Amino acid sequence: SQQGEEDPQALSIQEGENATMNCSYKTSINNLQWYRQNSGRGLVHLILIRSNEREKHSGRLRVTLDTSKKSSSLLITASRAADTASYFCASSNYGQNFVFGPGTRLSVLP
Amino acid sequence: ETGVTQSPTHLIKTRGQQVTLRCSSQSGHNTVSWYQQALGQGPQFIFQYYREEENGRGNFPPRFSGLQFPNYSSELNVNALELDDSALYLCASSSAAPDRGLWETQYFGPGTRLLVL
Repeated sequence: SQQGEEDPQALSIQEGENATMNCSYKTSINNLQWYRQNSGRGLVHLILIRSNEREKHSGRLRVTLDTSKKSSSLLITASRAADTASYFCASSNYGQNFVFGPGTRLSVLP
Repeated sequence: ETGVTQSPTHLIKTRGQQVTLRCSSQSGHNTVSWYQQALGQGPQFIFQYYREEENGRGNFPPRFSGLQFPNYSSELNVNALELDDSALYLCASSSAAPDRGLWETQYFGPGTRLLVL
């Protein structure tokens, strides 16, 4: 199966702390994307990183990609209560389908 | 807001019935994908349409079928509904140029929550 995995499955932190989530995938990819989902609603795209990139930043988000280890990480700095959500990575090998992991459920406590 | 809309938002059906879910893609997008998300799990790829033709399919039986129309809107049809079909169904649109190997970000709609009784 191409199924990816996020780690940890659940994470609980205090407001202001940093949150790090990891993702592993099994096959070669051309890009990897991170999404956020609030309470079973639609997924919101956060960031896309291509296979020839090692790190990308977007506001308080930092994503790294290590293709040799088939892994990626998402760092959210200075977390806020509004960051409480499920976070998914989705890997793609030239876009025919995006393979999602089971997600990390992040709780940011005020 | 992504510009991707889905209808209906919620739906209740009974086992054995048929259902049609609809998706309107973001303007300018030529590709639409459908996903099934069971409670507490990540989305599972059902199929993708590029320029009105199926362009890939996940591990779903033939009773899951789809269409993409010239205006790039799309339908997901599920026949002979089973209890396990209860899930959130998500569509996602994107802009693709396969001749250049470009498959860009997918933008998701809010989903249709289907309950099969």
